[in-house]
Amino acid sequence: SYELTQAPSVSVSPGQTASITCSGNRLGSKYVCWYQQKPGQSPVLVIYEDKMRPSGIPERFSGSNSGNTATLTISGTQALDEADYFCQAWDSNTVVFGGGTKLTVL
Amino acid sequence: EVQLVESGGVLVQPGGSLRLSCVASGFTFSTYWMNWVRQAPGKGLEWVANIKQDGSQTYYADSVKGRFTISRDDAKNALNLQMNSLRAEDTAVYFCARVIRSGNTGYHLDYWGQGTLVTVSS
Repeated sequence: SYELTQAPSVSVSPGQTASITCSGNRLGSKYVCWYQQKPGQSPVLVIYEDKMRPSGIPERFSGSNSGNTATLTISGTQALDEADYFCQAWDSNTVVFGGGTKLTVL
Repeated sequence: EVQLVESGGVLVQPGGSLRLSCVASGFTFSTYWMNWVRQAPGKGLEWVANIKQDGSQTYYADSVKGRFTISRDDAKNALNLQMNSLRAEDTAVYFCARVIRSGNTGYHLDYWGQGTLVTVSS
């Protein structure tokens, strides 16, 4: 079965750029999306189709996907961006999630 | 405004059964694929099952195949999940979510419910 791998945690200073990666075999040939989840809340879609932002998502969120790695980039990271981030792809009629990355802003 | 409201989560004994429901509003429910995703306490997201607009296609995670059944009632704007032979490892918050599909590989969940907690324990 297809697998997506994420680092468990990433730290960033306020105002700096955070990069969260998601790796999988030939991931660049699939669309990837990203969800943000804060404690006790439902996930929120922040990027879809590799780089598209849903309405209401700040421009500081961007995405890319090439080769075996997709990247979620948060520019000018703010304290309110501290959350868990999950990547997701679709493969062989199944939905695959990465294990999630906890972003700490300190 | 799109809304998804899950219900049915309770404490159930191992081996027991449970039926979850998700009522949708604010969009034409019958025209969307729908999805169940779960999250065990302190863990990541795990896809459970999905169902096509007309119910003609359903897919399941290996961990629930043969035990769970996803269904929909478009007249009631409802998505259901029948859960049988429950195990301790099925303990999780269960979310329903609306699916957007694009091209051959595009698949994302643009709206999520608030989730309902299922606890399997004796």
